[in-house]
Amino acid sequence: EDQVTQSPEALRLQEGESSSLNCSYTVSGLRGLFWYRQDPGKGPEFLFTLYSAGEEKEKERLKATLTKKESFLHITAPKPEDSATYLCAVTSGTYKYIFGTGTRLKVLA
Amino acid sequence: GAVVSQHPSWVICKSGTSVKIECRSLDFQATTMFWYRQFPKQSLMLMATSNEGSKATYEQGVEKDKFLINHASLTLSTLTVTSAHPEDSSFYICSASESGDYNEQFFGPGTRLTVL
Repeated sequence: EDQVTQSPEALRLQEGESSSLNCSYTVSGLRGLFWYRQDPGKGPEFLFTLYSAGEEKEKERLKATLTKKESFLHITAPKPEDSATYLCAVTSGTYKYIFGTGTRLKVLA
Repeated sequence: GAVVSQHPSWVICKSGTSVKIECRSLDFQATTMFWYRQFPKQSLMLMATSNEGSKATYEQGVEKDKFLINHASLTLSTLTVTSAHPEDSSFYICSASESGDYNEQFFGPGTRLTVL
């Protein structure tokens, strides 16, 4: 059964304290892995798409990487405005997303 | 680019009434639209997938007669919650994809439904 697991469930960082969020997946034939950011009471905001192992993408303080088993979302020198829930999703044999449960990130000033 | 809107952003209704939620892709044509439901502090649960001009495909356990989905054009999909009950209270989010294959989905801002 296709499955996506995100860790940690929650993370508190001091402003400027870099860290990484993990998204482990078990799918039969990965077609795409997606990272989203979701603020409370809002819909998810698209961040990155990764298609193949070894691929990396960056946007401001965020960098996403992909291996054959997992993806990492690296946050460099985070700011309080980076506080949100970060969601990972994958697609395999169909185009439906399989979501992880998310990592709730809190960055303290 | 890739903006998806939803209307209304929140709605309160009485038990037994029906509520319609609209989802629009504002700057692209969405071949496929998806409807999700999200409970507090939980991830998104896919309810159904709709392709323009076709009947929606519902996920297991989702009542198609209760959650009516119409995808009449490449920019508009609607979700109607019929005979709403308090247990239908939730956060409903739509997403849209240009081609519906393995491309990214763009999400709307969500609609908070409260059934009294």
